[in-house]
Amino acid sequence: EVQLVQSGAEVKKPGESLKISCKGSGYSFTSYWIGWVRQMPGKGLEWMGIIYPGDSDTRYSPSFQGQVTISADKSISTAYLQWSSLKASDTAMYYCARMFSSGWYNDYWGQGTLVTVSS
Amino acid sequence: QSALTQPRSVSGSPGQSVTISCTGTSSDVGGYNYVSWYQQHPGKAPKLMIYDVSKRPSGVPDRFSGSKSGNTASLTISGLQAEDEADYYCCSYAGSYVVFGGGTKLTVL
Repeated sequence: EVQLVQSGAEVKKPGESLKISCKGSGYSFTSYWIGWVRQMPGKGLEWMGIIYPGDSDTRYSPSFQGQVTISADKSISTAYLQWSSLKASDTAMYYCARMFSSGWYNDYWGQGTLVTVSS
Repeated sequence: QSALTQPRSVSGSPGQSVTISCTGTSSDVGGYNYVSWYQQHPGKAPKLMIYDVSKRPSGVPDRFSGSKSGNTASLTISGLQAEDEADYYCCSYAGSYVVFGGGTKLTVL
């Protein structure tokens, strides 16, 4: 069974750094892209970027380029999303999802990680 | 890169059909047959309902169908059921990245 299990909720202060994770299981982690999607409170889905764990090829949405870093450790089947300096506007639910590059769609999703940034 | 345009809300009675539109440009929806649709219930992760414009993943009822004409994609739900009440998002490849629609809230009356 394909599963993506994300790390738990985080509460941070503005300016702090953060790295959240997404562990894949039940499939060949290095053979599929993993993407990250943001959902701000009461708002819609926003595509942030993807990584191919097999060779760490990474693509970013122009809206998120330079704002976050996506990485992966294929040895432990885990993808990451990190911030170097959080802002209050980063408060959101973040989902990871497996992506089929042949169709650019997400077939399996993690349960989401809620990030709250508040002073 | 702008979000794809969806109606904010649609509604229908049980048993009826509803169609949700998703308008983009020739750089996304119109340029590729890589449109997907997701259903999201409150507090839950999104669920893939349609991919490659009109294909259904295993387990998705055939009441859900997708199509595309020019720069506009559509999701049609026939035989509406109470459990179909949710938010629906379209999504399209836009050349090296992906863009979502703003989302449509479906209310089953």
